[in-house]
Amino acid sequence: QSALTQPRSVSGTPGQSVTISCTGTSSDVGGYNSVSWYQQYPGRAPKLMIFDVSKRPSGVPDRFSGSKSVNTASLTISGLQAEDEADYYCCSYSVTYNLGVFGGGTKVTVL
Amino acid sequence: QVQLVESGGGVVQPGGSLRLSCAASGFIFSAFGMHWVRQAPGKGLEWVAVIWHDGSKQYYMDSVKGRFTISRDNSKNTLSLQMNSLGADDTAVYYCARVGPGGWYGDSWGQGTLVTVSS
Repeated sequence: QSALTQPRSVSGTPGQSVTISCTGTSSDVGGYNSVSWYQQYPGRAPKLMIFDVSKRPSGVPDRFSGSKSVNTASLTISGLQAEDEADYYCCSYSVTYNLGVFGGGTKVTVL
Repeated sequence: QVQLVESGGGVVQPGGSLRLSCAASGFIFSAFGMHWVRQAPGKGLEWVAVIWHDGSKQYYMDSVKGRFTISRDNSKNTLSLQMNSLGADDTAVYYCARVGPGGWYGDSWGQGTLVTVSS
């Protein structure tokens, strides 16, 4: 399956905002409100941060927000904190495969 | 609370088979779809397979179709992944994840089990 396209890395200083893009097609990101975002620390399981484009599970700080425009979804981390340094993956339902397709992942570095 | 515990990983020779299990607790297992997701060493996530809450439908990524079988036993709160004809490309940590209510996402994940295909 073709992965969704994410930048390999983004960085920011504490307190700044960073945005991670996730580009797909009308068969996945653009066609469904089924975009989710996951945070993963090295050696750990992924953790759901955003689902259905912009919804936050309970316990996820409101510094994390999601949005979508046409075929591109975005995750924004406002007020960046040291603990936000991790890998982030987007995912969308794909009608082509009847499965989820992931982005390649973005490493967030807090400078 | 929701708990998912994978087991069954290990080292297997190319062409061999392995069966992974995921023990679920803390929720009504029979009410949720379940996924298997894998991650090769140093690589990103791949959605391997999904099964409906009642086991009526299963979908697979192209590269495992015909080799892997996802199944579930709702009486034992257990999800399984039977993997046959394993190749080096199947080497990965395999995670089970619960399908989130009303949507397509993994809202709870296990800790993963490592499968290494090597001679």
